[in-house]
Amino acid sequence: AQSVAQPEDQVNVAEGNPLTVKCTYSVSGNPYLFWYVQYPNRGLQFLLKYITGDNLVKGSYGFEAEFNKSQTSFHLKKPSALVSDSALYFCAVSGSNQGGKLIFGQGTELSVKP
Amino acid sequence: GAGVSQTPSNKVTEKGKYVELRCDPISGHTALYWYRQSLGQGPEFLIYFQGTGAADDSGLPNDRFFAVRPEGSVSTLKIQRTERGDSAMYLCASSPQGANTGELFFGEGSRLTVL
Repeated sequence: AQSVAQPEDQVNVAEGNPLTVKCTYSVSGNPYLFWYVQYPNRGLQFLLKYITGDNLVKGSYGFEAEFNKSQTSFHLKKPSALVSDSALYFCAVSGSNQGGKLIFGQGTELSVKP
Repeated sequence: GAGVSQTPSNKVTEKGKYVELRCDPISGHTALYWYRQSLGQGPEFLIYFQGTGAADDSGLPNDRFFAVRPEGSVSTLKIQRTERGDSAMYLCASSPQGANTGELFFGEGSRLTVL
C-alpha cells in the first residue's frame, strides 16, 4: 500500500534562513512524488514534482526538492525563507501503476518569522 | 474564471439529509478528482474520473457516497443519509492528463457541516 509520512506537524524558521520540510514515502514500483502548498482560505497549489531524471527538482517560488531513493525521502527545501512562505505544505505520492491516484501526507505547517 | 469552480462553498445540513456538491473543472481537462479533507489532515482520495467513467472509486467510504460525470465535464458528488462524520472540506481537482504526469489544479472546496 502507498503511504506518505510528514514527521513534523510544524516547522519554524527565521526569515532569510534555509528551510527543510521532510517527507518519506512507501510505494510499490517507481514513485511519482509531489509537493503542494495550501495558503489560508485558498485551494491547494502545485509546487513541484519528481517523475524521473535528475534527483534535484526545482519548482515554484524558489522551492526545490531532492529525491533520495535509498532513504525513500523527498524533502522540500528553500535556501532563504520568506515570511510569505508561511503556509501548509503537503507531500504526495502516486505509484506508476496507480492510474493517477495521489496519496497525501498529513501536512506540515511552515511558519516563517521576520 | 479559468480555475476549478466548486459550489456551494459552504453547506450546512441536518443528519439524514441528502447533499449534492458540484465541481466545474478547467475546460479541456479530462481527469477529475474528488478528495475529502478533515481538519488537521491531508486530503483523502475519494474517486477519480477519466472522461465520463470512474477510473478508480476505491476511496469512497461506503455506498452512501456516489459521484457522476455524465458528459465528461461537470461532476457531482452525492451523499445520501448524511452523518455528522461526513463533515469535512470536499475538494475537487482536475488535470489535463492523470496525476502521474501532471499537476492537479484544485478548487477552493465545499465545506460540508452536518448537524
